[in-house]
Amino acid sequence: KAGVTQTPRYLIKTRGQQVTLSCSPISGHRSVSWYQQTPGQGLQFLFEYFSETQRNKGNFPGRFSGRQFSNSRSEMNVSTLELGDSALYLCASSLAEATEAFFGQGTRLTVV
Amino acid sequence: QQQVKQSPQSLIVQKGGISIINCAYENTAFDYFPWYQQFPGKGPALLIAIRPDVSEKKEGRFTISFNKSAKQFSLHIMDSQPGDSATYFCAASSSSGSARQLTFGSGTQLTVLP
Repeated sequence: KAGVTQTPRYLIKTRGQQVTLSCSPISGHRSVSWYQQTPGQGLQFLFEYFSETQRNKGNFPGRFSGRQFSNSRSEMNVSTLELGDSALYLCASSLAEATEAFFGQGTRLTVV
Repeated sequence: QQQVKQSPQSLIVQKGGISIINCAYENTAFDYFPWYQQFPGKGPALLIAIRPDVSEKKEGRFTISFNKSAKQFSLHIMDSQPGDSATYFCAASSSSGSARQLTFGSGTQLTVLP
């Protein structure tokens, strides 16, 4: 069974631009969560989607948004990029109400 | 406010030794406590997890000990190997409500010397 797939693996963007990251969950998993990982703040929860609905959102500005499609694939978007948005963005998928969350390899975003 | 405190920040152990990483939480609604292992350039991989209805769970060389009254849990790696060298994160989440959100500790960088 394929794991969580995140694309692209690496991105370099300029301040002020916007970026879209993609996540394909494990087949059959309907819950997708996004996390930001930085050396200073560690792993922080961004948001969680289930059946195309955002169920929970972390403490991030409105520049961070996401969506989930009917096939459970998810995208997150960051608008008006800032240098501080440079991070590893991780996607995790879970079965419906199950507990185990499985992470992808992440997208390394660098804002210059 | 950090809700899961993890220590130590870094740990060096000799091959064959026992590695112990500790975590403490504040939110009494937490009812699921996983540990993740992360290698450089990779995403976190689920290692082992425990619920508060048991005090210990063992999988191979990895054991979680859980103390509900103290709100603490720890990961023990027996017979540590150089291949175990990685960053380890504890986490916690609550099943209350419809969403499950993981709150992570700050991580422990483990180095196992050959």
